[in-house]
Amino acid sequence: EVQLVESGGDLVQPGGSLRLSCAASGFAFSTYSMNWVRQAPGKGLEWVSYISTGSSTIYYADSVKGRFTISRDNAKNSLSLQMNSLRAEDSGVYYCARGIQGSDYWGQGTLVTVSS
Amino acid sequence: DIQMTQSPSTLSASVGDRVTITCRASQSISTWLAWYQQKPGKAPKVLIHKASTLESGVPSRFSGSGSGTEFTLTISSLQPDDFATYYCQQYNGDSRTFGQGTKVEIK
Repeated sequence: EVQLVESGGDLVQPGGSLRLSCAASGFAFSTYSMNWVRQAPGKGLEWVSYISTGSSTIYYADSVKGRFTISRDNAKNSLSLQMNSLRAEDSGVYYCARGIQGSDYWGQGTLVTVSS
Repeated sequence: DIQMTQSPSTLSASVGDRVTITCRASQSISTWLAWYQQKPGKAPKVLIHKASTLESGVPSRFSGSGSGTEFTLTISSLQPDDFATYYCQQYNGDSRTFGQGTKVEIK
């Protein structure tokens, strides 16, 4: 069974940092591109970042460019998102999602709250 | 970044109705478009990719069409389980933008 399990969400002050992780199981992680997608409370979906299978291609939304860093460890079947200089507008549920042509599997999400 | 505009934002319909949601891209994305369904408190579920390819297990009442900058998601006969919010997402080039969503409500 395909599983994606996010962790690392927390309450953090503006300007702070947080590292999210996504543990993958039940499929050949190294053969799938991965994404982070977030959703502010009561709002729509916002794509955050994409990483290719071998990490050679990485994309970011303009809203997080220069502040967030996506990475993956194929040996450990894990995906990460390092978030620095956090702002209130970065608050929301963060999902990791598998795939390049429409994400077919998503985790349950981890909640990030940026507030003083 | 490519902008995606969905319409309408909210749609009120009855069981059995034919429903159409439109998604427009700010520039051509060929057919690099997916549609998702999301219910409250749940992760999104992909319905269609490459504009018109139905995902395995998705009922055939769902269909997608379009290319370039204009796309549609059609539900041929709305069922009770279909009341949800729908999103389009483009995956052309170096971004993966979502539309703002269309909430399908019970009339």
